[in-house]
Amino acid sequence: EAQVTQNPRYLITVTGKKLTVTCSQNMNHEYMSWYRQDPGLGLRQIYYSMNVEVTDKGDVPEGYKVSRKEKRNFPLILESPSPNQTSLYFCASSYLADRGERHEQYFGPGTRLTVT
Amino acid sequence: AQSVAQPEDQVNVAEGNPLTVKCTYSVSGNPYLFWYVQYPNRGLQFLLKYITGDNLVKGSYGFEAEFNKSQTSFHLKKPSALVSDSALYFCAVRATGRRALTFGSGTRLQVQP
Repeated sequence: EAQVTQNPRYLITVTGKKLTVTCSQNMNHEYMSWYRQDPGLGLRQIYYSMNVEVTDKGDVPEGYKVSRKEKRNFPLILESPSPNQTSLYFCASSYLADRGERHEQYFGPGTRLTVT
Repeated sequence: AQSVAQPEDQVNVAEGNPLTVKCTYSVSGNPYLFWYVQYPNRGLQFLLKYITGDNLVKGSYGFEAEFNKSQTSFHLKKPSALVSDSALYFCAVRATGRRALTFGSGTRLQVQP
């Protein structure tokens, strides 16, 4: 089954304790992206990757890091989490080239993070 | 820059009545437009898209959307609402040649029995 998986689904942590949220896709997509969802703000892009070893900042990158060492994986790293990073996080992936039915992004189930 | 506006935080409609969820956008060049739906405790599910061609796009679960270039709108519609349609709906846009999606703030659809 084609899917994007994220782990963990729920996480409660304390300020300053490094954490990683994993994301994996099995569709051989080149493009992967992280979003955060906050009430009234929709989804805002944190970081994205066009392919292996190619990453770039989105609209709200401060406090986050990413890496893309393999095509299928795109982990999100919070080196020193703070309470303002409490949010719902989504990973998404898609093909890079716009051909045929290759336009839409596929989303993971989300990770609800609480930083106290 | 690209942006999306969903002017209604919530839309209430009675089951069996038609529904419309509004979306307007701003983008340089030709837009790719998308609607996604989010059910409680779930990720976003793709509903439909406008890429090119016919302005009326049909998607999943009986939803459709109409692209209006002059009004820069892409409203989501359904002829007869179901209680199970109650969810959070997001409109998104990206410019041709770009990958970054810009989302609206979301509209909560409540369908009353």
